[in-house]
Amino acid sequence: SQQGEEDPQALSIQEGENATMNCSYKTSINNLQWYRQNSGRGLVHLILIRSNEREKHSGRLRVTLDTSKKSSSLLITASRAADTASYFCATDAGNAGNMLTFGGGTRLMVKP
Amino acid sequence: KAGVTQTPRYLIKTRGQQVTLSCSPISGHRSVSWYQQTPGQGLQFLFEYFSETQRNKGNFPGRFSGRQFSNSRSEMNVSTLELGDSALYLCASSLGTGGNTIYFGEGSWLTVV
Repeated sequence: SQQGEEDPQALSIQEGENATMNCSYKTSINNLQWYRQNSGRGLVHLILIRSNEREKHSGRLRVTLDTSKKSSSLLITASRAADTASYFCATDAGNAGNMLTFGGGTRLMVKP
Repeated sequence: KAGVTQTPRYLIKTRGQQVTLSCSPISGHRSVSWYQQTPGQGLQFLFEYFSETQRNKGNFPGRFSGRQFSNSRSEMNVSTLELGDSALYLCASSLGTGGNTIYFGEGSWLTVV
């Protein structure tokens, strides 16, 4: 079963615009990780944010985490056509090792 | 440093057959986990191995099994294949178990006909 929902399910923007994707989850977590998946390919790790962190940056990516609302957001600034992909959040909880629970993903299309 | 390597990348099997998929983790990583991705169910956790021991198991029937070798390489096996087993099977590796960045391979596409 999925941990939560991602919003929106699909997003279409123009190159140069910012893209924001949201992720909600249901149970307490240790960490939340964001991944990108190009069609038919594996998952590429983007950012890991721990439950005691509120914000992390990596290049054009900014991730926030609000544990009180059980939600996270991924912001991609100055998007490029190459950012076209599906984006997933995944959480791991408590003493469940590396068992990740994924959201349904957001399909991002960046038009040149 | 090589990433997570999965073989084969694509395979077609017939209902009732069995299949074995292989995964080589990133050098030095001791945790290997497996996931199934389908359009209907999304990404679902199958199992995790750490130091040759199964640490966690997802909600899949016993036809799905796995193992990890002393060099951390892992295999998963699906017996008595069903049409619904058609999916992308993803392997992931991590340094330890819990709290680490988890890296995924390119996956093995399994089609059951």
